[in-house]
Amino acid sequence: GQQVMQIPQYQHVQEGEDFTTYCNSSTTLSNIQWYKQRPGGHPVFLIQLVKSGEVKKQKRLTFQFGEAKKNSSLHITATQTTDVGTYFCAPFIGGKLIFGQGTELSVKP
Amino acid sequence: ETGVTQTPRHLVMGMTNKKSLKCEQHLGHNAMYWYKQSAKKPLELMFVYNFKEQTENNSVPSRFSPECPNSSHLFLHLHTLQPEDSALYLCASSQEWGRDQPQHFGDGTRLSIL
Repeated sequence: GQQVMQIPQYQHVQEGEDFTTYCNSSTTLSNIQWYKQRPGGHPVFLIQLVKSGEVKKQKRLTFQFGEAKKNSSLHITATQTTDVGTYFCAPFIGGKLIFGQGTELSVKP
Repeated sequence: ETGVTQTPRHLVMGMTNKKSLKCEQHLGHNAMYWYKQSAKKPLELMFVYNFKEQTENNSVPSRFSPECPNSSHLFLHLHTLQPEDSALYLCASSQEWGRDQPQHFGDGTRLSIL
């Protein structure tokens, strides 16, 4: 079935360093959503990207949708301990969200 | 406060027990979902209900039985589960199924099968 590959699976950074997670699909996507799940918590919607080449920012978070709409990325500038958690990409395919495996971010103070 | 409430938060049961998970949403949404989240695996969609009608069943074993009496409530009835069914079960809702809208998740039920 349709899958999305999300890399890396884990990322450990020092507080203040940048972080990027990537989501790749073999097929063209109509749109993609991003979610964050804190340890012990539930996924929380962050953003949705729809247009080719779209870039959206939320404070230190930058989301990008590739020109071919086959990949997406989430970049965090100057990570903080509050950024800890797992970040999931979730393209909308066949009427439903297909979640990637997630990238678990840990931040060392 | 997400607007989606799940009970219980934790559940330990034996393989021969029967229990139910409950989900209630206060967002006025028409679609509700059950997901399974196992360690080191992506969220797996189990069931979808849209306007109380089941629209998706992702080949879920019959030991899981969903029920949606109205658009605000969703249940997952469990019986004769297996150890591999131990996981976090998440309920979510959205305005309508089949539309690329955000999903709102509850805190989940952490299920352990002895």
